[in-house]
Amino acid sequence: NAGVTQTPKFQVLKTGQSMTLQCAQDMNHNSMYWYRQDPGMGLRLIYYSASEGTTDKGEVPNGYNVSRLNKREFSLRLESAAPSQTSVYFCASSPGTSGLRGNEQFFGPGTRLTVL
Amino acid sequence: GQSLEQPSEVTAVEGAIVQINCTYQTSGFYGLSWYQQHDGGAPTFLSYNALDGLEETGRFSSFLSRSDSYGYLLLQELQMKDSASYFCAVEGSYIPTFGRGTSLIVHP
Repeated sequence: NAGVTQTPKFQVLKTGQSMTLQCAQDMNHNSMYWYRQDPGMGLRLIYYSASEGTTDKGEVPNGYNVSRLNKREFSLRLESAAPSQTSVYFCASSPGTSGLRGNEQFFGPGTRLTVL
Repeated sequence: GQSLEQPSEVTAVEGAIVQINCTYQTSGFYGLSWYQQHDGGAPTFLSYNALDGLEETGRFSSFLSRSDSYGYLLLQELQMKDSASYFCAVEGSYIPTFGRGTSLIVHP
């Protein structure tokens, strides 16, 4: 099993460009998450999906959109990138549908995004 | 909303015991998790406490006091490979919230 995979690993964008970050998991998990991690800020939740067909905003959703394409895949889109979106983006999944409730989150390797 | 406080950095020597504290404020508390992250890597799950008391997993233990809104991660027999960042995460109103992380530096 590959676990959680993310593409691309690195990306450089110019201000105003758009891009989609891809995430897939092969563990048959119900919930998937997108986080951003900035130095000294820990992990902040952008969006999450408790089950296929549902998505909800997290702590910092502005400037992002998501799509839960199927049970395996959860993509994050930046429509018009800004320098403030320079960050490391992590996708995660967990088995349950009612929040974590003790279910650990499995994280992908991350995408390092720089917006110039 | 939810918020967590943990020390920014802790240093210790190899073989020692270290405790990383976490205090939290949240509504609808369900549990407290701990994650480890090495530089350049992804966070990995260490432990979860939903009830008061101590959970032990090998060299790592985690404690929770719901009445004090407080938990800690205890690392015993420290090894150089334990040098990493450690995050507490609280699950309140469904959305998980992470602390800013504690950088643990283990010296020989």
